[in-house]
Order: sequence, then C-alpha cells, then structure tokens
Amino acid sequence: GNSVTQMEGPVTLSEEAFLTINCTYTATGYPSLFWYVQYPGEGLQLLLKATKADDKGSNKGFEATYRKETTSFHLEKGSVQVSDSAVYFCALRPNFGNEKLTFGTGTRLTIIP
Amino acid sequence: AAGVIQSPRHLIKEKRETATLKCYPIPRHDTVYWYQQGPGQDPQFLISFYEKMQSDKGSIPDRFSAQQFSDYHSELNMSSLELGDSALYFCASSVRLAGVSDTQYFGPGTRLTVL
Repeated sequence: GNSVTQMEGPVTLSEEAFLTINCTYTATGYPSLFWYVQYPGEGLQLLLKATKADDKGSNKGFEATYRKETTSFHLEKGSVQVSDSAVYFCALRPNFGNEKLTFGTGTRLTIIP
Repeated sequence: AAGVIQSPRHLIKEKRETATLKCYPIPRHDTVYWYQQGPGQDPQFLISFYEKMQSDKGSIPDRFSAQQFSDYHSELNMSSLELGDSALYFCASSVRLAGVSDTQYFGPGTRLTVL
C-alpha cells in the first residue's frame, strides 16, 4: 500500500536558520506529492505540491523537489521565521484509482527568536 | 477566495449520543473527503463522495455514515458516540479534471469532544 515516512519531530530552530524536513514515500506508480501546514488551532493549509518527477513546488520561501529516484519530497527553507512555527505534514495522492491523501506523521517545528 | 466551510466548529456530546457534521465545499468542487485527526496524530481518511456517490471508503466505523447532497454539501452522521471518537474532523473538497481529482483543500475542521 501507499505510505509516507516523515522526519520525526519536534524540530526547534533559531530564527533565520536553514530548515530541512525529510519525507520519503512508497507508492505504486507516480503519485502527486504535497506539503500541508497546520498552525496552532487551525486546519490544514496547502503549502506546496508537485505532480510529477523533477517538479519543484514552492511557496512562501519553502521548496520541495519531487525525486523519483530516491522517492523523496524533502521540504526546505533558507531562512525560517518565528511565524513558520507549525506542524508540517507530507502527503501523497495516487493519480489513479482511489484519490485519498495518505499523510506522514507530521513534524512539529518551533522557531525561537 | 471562497474556502471550505465546516459547521459546527466545536461540538461537545455525551457518550452514546449522535452528532452531525456539515461540510460546504468550495463552489464548483464536485468531490468531498472526510478525514479524522486524533490528538497528536496525522489525518486519517474516512470516506469520499464524487457527484453525490460514494467514491472511496477508509477506516470509517459502521456507526458513522455520510452522504453528499444535490448542492454538493456533505454531512457526516455519527451515532453511539464513544470517547475515542473525540477528534478533529476535517472536510476537504476538490474538482475532478480530466477524470482525476485536483488538489484537496481543507476546511478549518470540527472539533468533537465526547464526554
């Protein structure tokens, strides 16, 4: 079946530090990949996505590249801010058959000033 | 831009009671998904509907049922509530393009507490 393995948290960084949150997946074929962010007390917001190999998704300074050879979709940001503190979920969705999202376990990120 | 609307935002029920959660998708979205997120956990897929027909089913208890109406809104009905049903329930919607559902956009969730 499909699965997403995500970097264990929590992660604590200082403001302006470089961020990497690892995400690898197992799926049949070529799924679409997503990063969702959940701020405290709020719902899930789409952060970025990539629908095919070598695609790079980007938004708000965050980037992730769909790597088929390593089945990875690592999230990166060059300089984090306190406002980036949230829980980040990596997710995949098959491009055929059922279309449910399969999520990773989430990574709680805390940025300290 | 219009987003997914869920109501109520918070709900407190006693054990063995029933609850109904409502979801209003983004206009022109034809597919609705329901997810359950337990405390500190990742969202788990419950059920989905496309054009008012059930399209997929996940780990949804038999005590739960759902449907999508002619205006595309959806309701999740939960009966004989148990303490373990306490969770955040998300609805997401998407539109099907060329036979494939596009990105799922999530509502703010309904926090259900069962006492």
